Amino acid sequence: NAGVMQNPRHLVRRRGQEARLRCSPMKGHSHVYWYRQLPEEGLKFMVYLQKENIIDESGMPKERFSAEFPKEGPSILRIQQVVRGDSAAYFCASSPDTRKGGYTFGSGTRLTVV
Amino acid sequence: GDSVTQMEGPVTLSEEAFLTINCTYTATGYPSLFWYVQYPGEGLQLLLKATKADDKGSNKGFEATYRKETTSFHLEKGSVQVSDSAVYFCALIPASNAGNMLTFGGGTRLMVKP
Repeated sequence: NAGVMQNPRHLVRRRGQEARLRCSPMKGHSHVYWYRQLPEEGLKFMVYLQKENIIDESGMPKERFSAEFPKEGPSILRIQQVVRGDSAAYFCASSPDTRKGGYTFGSGTRLTVV
Repeated sequence: GDSVTQMEGPVTLSEEAFLTINCTYTATGYPSLFWYVQYPGEGLQLLLKATKADDKGSNKGFEATYRKETTSFHLEKGSVQVSDSAVYFCALIPASNAGNMLTFGGGTRLMVKP
């Protein structure tokens, strides 16, 4: 049973380009969470999704960021018109239910904006 | 709001030394408490957890006790190894959090020298 798969592992974008980060949850997991880790900081919650629904996006910047988790396929975190401050590691986690902390993290996508 | 405060690193120890990483939290009620470990270039792995006061979480020689009176969840290990070198994150999920989102501390880097 593969774990949470994130790709790409590393992504380099020029300022103004779009970044698309993918997350395939573990089999049987219908809850997906995205977190961002800025350099030398802890992880900050961004968005929580269930299949086809955004449940909580209170940690998502209001502009340029969007997320989806379609009925088929991976969850996508999309950042439009990237800026240097978007450089960070983006982690996805998935869970089968809402038991406290019962979820598994992926290895992350490290986004570098040049 | 809810928050987690960890001692700042890096913490540098010699192999077989005793480890303590302090963690205190601010939250209403009885949150669930967690320690995660992040090895270089990887995602987060759950190390241990505790869900109610006076519970002790333990794994791989690491322990932490949920202390409601001091709102603390300090991580300890009696004899560290070089392979324990990593970044350690303390985190909580509030009791009222139906969505299961984690609030993290800033992380503490541990470096163990042979």
